Amino acid sequence: AQTVTQSQPEMSVQEAETVTLSCTYDTSESDYYLFWYKQPPSRQMILVIRQEAYKQQNATENRFSVNFQKAAKSFSLKISDSQLGDAAMYFCAYSGNNDMRFGAGTRLTVKP
Amino acid sequence: GAVVSQHPSWVICKSGTSVKIECRSLDFQATTMFWYRQFPKQSLMLMATSNEGSKATYEQGVEKDKFLINHASLTLSTLTVTSAHPEDSSFYICSARGPPGGTGELFFGEGSRLTVL
Repeated sequence: AQTVTQSQPEMSVQEAETVTLSCTYDTSESDYYLFWYKQPPSRQMILVIRQEAYKQQNATENRFSVNFQKAAKSFSLKISDSQLGDAAMYFCAYSGNNDMRFGAGTRLTVKP
Repeated sequence: GAVVSQHPSWVICKSGTSVKIECRSLDFQATTMFWYRQFPKQSLMLMATSNEGSKATYEQGVEKDKFLINHASLTLSTLTVTSAHPEDSSFYICSARGPPGGTGELFFGEGSRLTVL
């Protein structure tokens, strides 16, 4: 079964600074998607960024970018110019043929 | 983007009663929907995969007779918590995989907070 590991339960960043959230995964599939979702206090899951495994180029979405290392099965999220509104739980997710699995989550605090 | 609506957003019930939660895809047909359970400060735990017109596939450790899932149409899946007990109190989230040919993204409902007294 696929597993997703987030080794950082909590992270903190100063407003306007950059922070990187780590994620590793395990799979035997060759074709899959990887995602970062944000869950604010409202608990609504919000897609931050996605990466197709067959694409070598790292995905970028405004201040959010990923470092996708397929061989290492690593998928980290970099948030640049952090804003107070970025404070939330961040979940790394793997989507293969059947379902989507989530990591344990990283709680990000943004300090003003 | 695609919209998934979940209802009710919160429900309080007495122990021993059953509660039904609905998950609807509003602007696309969802052949597959997923039900997750989330405890406070924890991640989403996949409970079951719901396929339209067939039986749901439950994850190991999830009681299928306890958590009844019905996916009778391409836009509606329901989760019924039968004979609910306080330990069933949790946040339940449904999601649907987007239309074929899309990005593989899951679209999430707003979640349902269940409190069993």
